[in-house]
Amino acid sequence: GENVEQHPSTLSVQEGDSAVIKCTYSDSASNYFPWYKQELGKRPQLIIDIRSNVGEKKDQRIAVTLNKTAKHFSLHITETQPEDSAVYFCAAPLASYKLSFGAGTTVTVRA
Amino acid sequence: NAGVMQNPRHLVRRRGQEARLRCSPMKGHSHVYWYRQLPEEGLKFMVYLQKENIIDESGMPKERFSAEFPKEGPSILRIQQVVRGDSAAYFCASSPELAGGNTDTQYFGPGTRLTVL
Repeated sequence: GENVEQHPSTLSVQEGDSAVIKCTYSDSASNYFPWYKQELGKRPQLIIDIRSNVGEKKDQRIAVTLNKTAKHFSLHITETQPEDSAVYFCAAPLASYKLSFGAGTTVTVRA
Repeated sequence: NAGVMQNPRHLVRRRGQEARLRCSPMKGHSHVYWYRQLPEEGLKFMVYLQKENIIDESGMPKERFSAEFPKEGPSILRIQQVVRGDSAAYFCASSPELAGGNTDTQYFGPGTRLTVL
């Protein structure tokens, strides 16, 4: 079965509001959790990642939180802008190298 | 530092033909991964290679698909006798080697969009 579950599958927010995407994983040994943003027809781009020795990481309007006990991690985008519209993927390692990706969340920021 | 390079960006093949997809990792990266993405779906792991070695090909179909990463030159994903169901975007990613066995950060190429007619 899938190692990583991602919710919601679609998310529509008003410009300026916050967006939150949640992922759960099954392998308690996982220690690295990246988030990728993919615009239509483009490559997935790494936007932020977190390792298991910290609970939160922030980069300007983007933050990621990790709860190892509950085995879930979340992406938070604050003050959303139209250019944040894209598909966002979370991932967690199945092995030390093999990433299992969530199914993706299509985020639409309404102007 | 140039990013991960893939070519061609678009490839059209007729059923039964062969498709060859090429990937050059970022400078200094010795690990290459191939993923397949069907329309409006996520990324599915296919194969993980280091120079001259296939480390994990558990995500690759047993028939018609093969991959290599020679000592010199790009990594190649080869699909023989393509069928319509092979139509997808194929992404390559590369990573450096981190100390202590930590999971490597993967950086993606622009992808090759394969269309089988």
